[in-house]
Amino acid sequence: GAGVSQTPSNKVTEKGKYVELRCDPISGHTALYWYRQSLGQGPEFLIYFQGTGAADDSGLPNDRFFAVRPEGSVSTLKIQRTERGDSAVYLCASSGRAGEKLFFGSGTQLSVL
Amino acid sequence: GNSVTQMEGPVTLSEEAFLTINCTYTATGYPSLFWYVQYPGEGLQLLLKATKADDKGSNKGFEATYRKETTSFHLEKGSVQVSDSAVYFCALSDMASGYSTLTFGKGTMLLVSP
Repeated sequence: GAGVSQTPSNKVTEKGKYVELRCDPISGHTALYWYRQSLGQGPEFLIYFQGTGAADDSGLPNDRFFAVRPEGSVSTLKIQRTERGDSAVYLCASSGRAGEKLFFGSGTQLSVL
Repeated sequence: GNSVTQMEGPVTLSEEAFLTINCTYTATGYPSLFWYVQYPGEGLQLLLKATKADDKGSNKGFEATYRKETTSFHLEKGSVQVSDSAVYFCALSDMASGYSTLTFGKGTMLLVSP
């Protein structure tokens, strides 16, 4: 596609439920990043993929968070046993190669009730 | 660790006023510096960047100069327009790892009235 696509744009769930957030990067981009933006804060790094592998997952807050990119294109961020503190906008970005300009999606607004 | 501090908003200006949004940083290495903009309902967009000391990034009338001695990267525009209303994020990237994970400030909302 023309840009980074994230679905859904909004997700409302209940505490304790499992959610999946999807990111479709720009075609051909090998580097993919997930960020989380809490209300009133700047985006915070979660995880970086180069191709299919997670090259840096140091930003994942705990083991309830997991992300995959099985074919080196689409990525899914998975959150188990959601908590109210997980409510935030989850942003995905991609770049042609590591270190090149990042293109951001519009994000998924996750609300945990 | 790395951190970015930028002035709190909202910044409220009239059209054609001069804009400054302050940004200072702390970094362990020699980072690249960025300004991103987020228009209502849209994703983050790179506005400008600078990769070394004394570099000036510029785009759409906005400018920022990489000041290593003061660890600053202040955003300026001589004459703002209503269409500049958005949230502006200062960010740094330490490329020591070979890839760019950005560290962002909290963002500054700019509201420009006609």
